[in-house]
Amino acid sequence: DIVMTQTPLSSPVTLGQPASISCRSSQSLVHSDGNTYLSWLQQRPGQPPRLLIYKISNRFSGVPDRFSGSGAGTDFTLKISRVEAEDVGVYYCMQATQFPLTFGQGTKVEIK
Amino acid sequence: EVQLVESGGGLVQPGGSLRLSCAASGFTFSSYWMSWVRQAPGKGLEWVANIKQDGSEKYYVDSVKGRFTISRDNAKNSLYLQMNSLRAEDTAVYYCARDRAAIWAIDYWGQGTLVTVSS
Repeated sequence: DIVMTQTPLSSPVTLGQPASISCRSSQSLVHSDGNTYLSWLQQRPGQPPRLLIYKISNRFSGVPDRFSGSGAGTDFTLKISRVEAEDVGVYYCMQATQFPLTFGQGTKVEIK
Repeated sequence: EVQLVESGGGLVQPGGSLRLSCAASGFTFSSYWMSWVRQAPGKGLEWVANIKQDGSEKYYVDSVKGRFTISRDNAKNSLYLQMNSLRAEDTAVYYCARDRAAIWAIDYWGQGTLVTVSS
């Protein structure tokens, strides 16, 4: 199974400041079709997860442009350019290149 | 609007069985892969299983193989998870989720149903 490792596990951020989350996979996420199926999800307190980013860097419908994704191969990053109060929650990376689908442990973003 | 509504959760004894259901609406259910994902209390997300549009392909995480069965009824726009030989470590909120095969991401999630395995 592909192991997804996120850092940091907790990220206290000042409102209006940037935040960055790293996700590393135990093997390359490049699929045989040439795509890289790495996505990012947000889970606000008491809510189900919500898709933010798919295929490394594509924002899902309705996701604010302060969220961006980057990376390649085994190293990926989610950035929030200016954190807002509604961004508080846990962020997960997920790979769907190979079964079983696997998630990172989650990174908790909170306001300082 | 895409809606996924889970039901069937509850308290069950170790070794018991439970069947979860998910009612889908707001999209053409038969055109999408579907998944079950679980989250133990206070823990992260764990993908459990998924099923192809016509039910011809099914995949499971190792920890549930041989115990859980995913199925669907496209005529009823419904997804199911039959869970047998339940263990304490199966205690979790179980989410029904839609897979978007074109981008291989899980794009919509239900609110979840809690399964508690305890004597």
